[in-house]
Amino acid sequence: EAQVTQNPRYLITVTGKKLTVTCSQNMNHEYMSWYRQDPGLGLRQIYYSMNVEVTDKGDVPEGYKVSRKEKRNFPLILESPSPNQTSLYFCASSLSSYSGANVLTFGAGSRLTVL
Amino acid sequence: QKEVEQNSGPLSVPEGAIASLNCTYSDRVSQSFFWYRQYSGKSPELIMSIYSNGDKEDGRFTAQLNKASQYVSLLIRDSQPSDSATYLCAVPRRIIQGAQKLVFGQGTRLTINP
Repeated sequence: EAQVTQNPRYLITVTGKKLTVTCSQNMNHEYMSWYRQDPGLGLRQIYYSMNVEVTDKGDVPEGYKVSRKEKRNFPLILESPSPNQTSLYFCASSLSSYSGANVLTFGAGSRLTVL
Repeated sequence: QKEVEQNSGPLSVPEGAIASLNCTYSDRVSQSFFWYRQYSGKSPELIMSIYSNGDKEDGRFTAQLNKASQYVSLLIRDSQPSDSATYLCAVPRRIIQGAQKLVFGQGTRLTINP
């Protein structure tokens, strides 16, 4: 089944404890992206990657890191989480970032709480 | 002006009526437009895409695009309680070398009342 898989789905952690949210897709998609969703603010892009080893900041990158060493994986790293990073996180991918092939498929989401 | 703007709602519509969801965008050269549906606690899923001015119909859903007015809408005919969800409008933003990334509106929460 074609899908985007995120883990963990739920996580409660404490301020400053490094964590990684994994994202993997099995569709051979070139483009991958991370979003956070907060009430009243919609989906905001954190980072995106147009292909392996090519990543760039989205609209809200502060406090996050990413890497794209393989095509299928795009982990989101919070080096020192803070309570304002409590949110619902979505990983998404598309065939490419060009018109006609940029329809996004989303993972199931990861709900993160930072105490 | 926000890049992609939607009324956040909530929009309440009686069962069987037409639900009308609206979205405006700021980039005049945008070429493709998407509507995603998101049930509470779930991830967004694509329900409609539209690339040309006019209407595009898919079952009970109709997407309407007016590039001159920078306006895209989604109509849901014969609304059902199962249509109750948040509807997200997404518009591409150019990045580099013709590549694009999707920018989302804040979403409109729709409730269909039996």
